Amino acid sequence: AQSVTQLDSQVPVFEEAPVELRCNYSSSVSVYLFWYVQYPNQGLQLLLKYLSGSTLVKGINGFEAEFNKSQTSFHLRKPSVHISDTAEYFCAVSGQNQGGKLIFGQGTELSVKP
Amino acid sequence: EAGVAQSPRYKIIEKRQSVAFWCNPISGHATLYWYQQILGQGPKLLIQFQNNGVVDDSQLPKDRFSAERLKGVDSTLKIQPAKLEDSAVYLCASSLRSLGGRTEAFFGQGTRLTVV
Repeated sequence: AQSVTQLDSQVPVFEEAPVELRCNYSSSVSVYLFWYVQYPNQGLQLLLKYLSGSTLVKGINGFEAEFNKSQTSFHLRKPSVHISDTAEYFCAVSGQNQGGKLIFGQGTELSVKP
Repeated sequence: EAGVAQSPRYKIIEKRQSVAFWCNPISGHATLYWYQQILGQGPKLLIQFQNNGVVDDSQLPKDRFSAERLKGVDSTLKIQPAKLEDSAVYLCASSLRSLGGRTEAFFGQGTRLTVV
């Protein structure tokens, strides 16, 4: 079984500042890792994913994440945020060879202020 | 390419009534998921279909929830009778094939259900 913990429920930040959204997971099997973004009244959109290979993954909208197996973490970062990045961000895991089912964290609300 | 379509977008019903949600996945996607997202929480899988067969329904409250995917395309999720705690956003997602979890799932905009 897998579980995901997003360590911050809310992250307020000023425009053009850097941001890090933290995610830790636990699993008894190898996993794939994902970050999704959800804008108000919208579905989820994939930001980036880690399947294998390089532990630094780059995604859309200037976001990147680093997979750290020893710390079981997959933190999301952006060097300079914009007002338009204000949204809910979800970290998710999928156990390898377990059918694609996603286990989500509880979400982090990113609020970018001018 | 058209995305995952869901209807209705919003639904308000009284407790003990029944309700149905519809999902049309991306053309050619064999895998279809229904997730429940309660306010303030991450989505939770209710049921997963591969073509028209059920892969995982372990978290579906089968005494009141049912789902079907006829002909391996569209899907319907039904709740009968609804309870107050069923108030949530119901998200449908699809992917080409599960491929052990490697393939990306595309999400619809969801149906927001309010039970009063």
